[in-house]
Amino acid sequence: GDSVTQMEGPVTLSEEAFLTINCTYTATGYPSLFWYVQYPGEGLQLLLKATKADDKGSNKGFEATYRKETTSFHLEKGSVQVSDSAVYFCALSERQGGSEKLVFGKGTKLTVNP
Amino acid sequence: NAGVTQTPKFRILKIGQSMTLQCTQDMNHNYMYWYRQDPGMGLKLIYYSVGAGITDKGEVPNGYNVSRSTTEDFPLRLELAAPSQTSVYFCASSGSAYNSPLHFGNGTRLTVT
Repeated sequence: GDSVTQMEGPVTLSEEAFLTINCTYTATGYPSLFWYVQYPGEGLQLLLKATKADDKGSNKGFEATYRKETTSFHLEKGSVQVSDSAVYFCALSERQGGSEKLVFGKGTKLTVNP
Repeated sequence: NAGVTQTPKFRILKIGQSMTLQCTQDMNHNYMYWYRQDPGMGLKLIYYSVGAGITDKGEVPNGYNVSRSTTEDFPLRLELAAPSQTSVYFCASSGSAYNSPLHFGNGTRLTVT
């Protein structure tokens, strides 16, 4: 089946540092790709998405580009803040029958120090 | 707007006990999901529903049951709790079948001892 592999954490950065979290996928079709973020004690929230090759998703200073040739969807932010500390999940959509289900990576914990 | 509400937030069960995790959403979403989150393992889909009266198994359904009698509610039942079911459980909903973001509840942390 489809799968998502994202870089192992935890990742620790200083405020204003550049962030990259790598994500690659394996899929038989042409999935949509997502990044979700989970703040401590909360459920996951959609951060950004891209639905086709070369699309760039962006939100709150985060960006990710759907690269079909390298089957990747790496998350980047130019200058992280302490408030970005969270767990980040890469996910793809898998269509089965009349619905779509998300397949998640294992998550990458980010800690940003002041 | 409450979104997706899960109860309880925490629960400790003894092996062999039963319980129901409650999930309700007020967004009139047809699609609802139950995931479990284990440390370092991401989220695994347990069951999902595409509308009232329709449910189907996900990746890890063994030991669980669900029902969907209304659009709003999607309870998850554990009949004979086992230590392997110690996890954080998330309910989610979405408004359409494809490319629609999931709205998650805040989770239920379950410990089986």
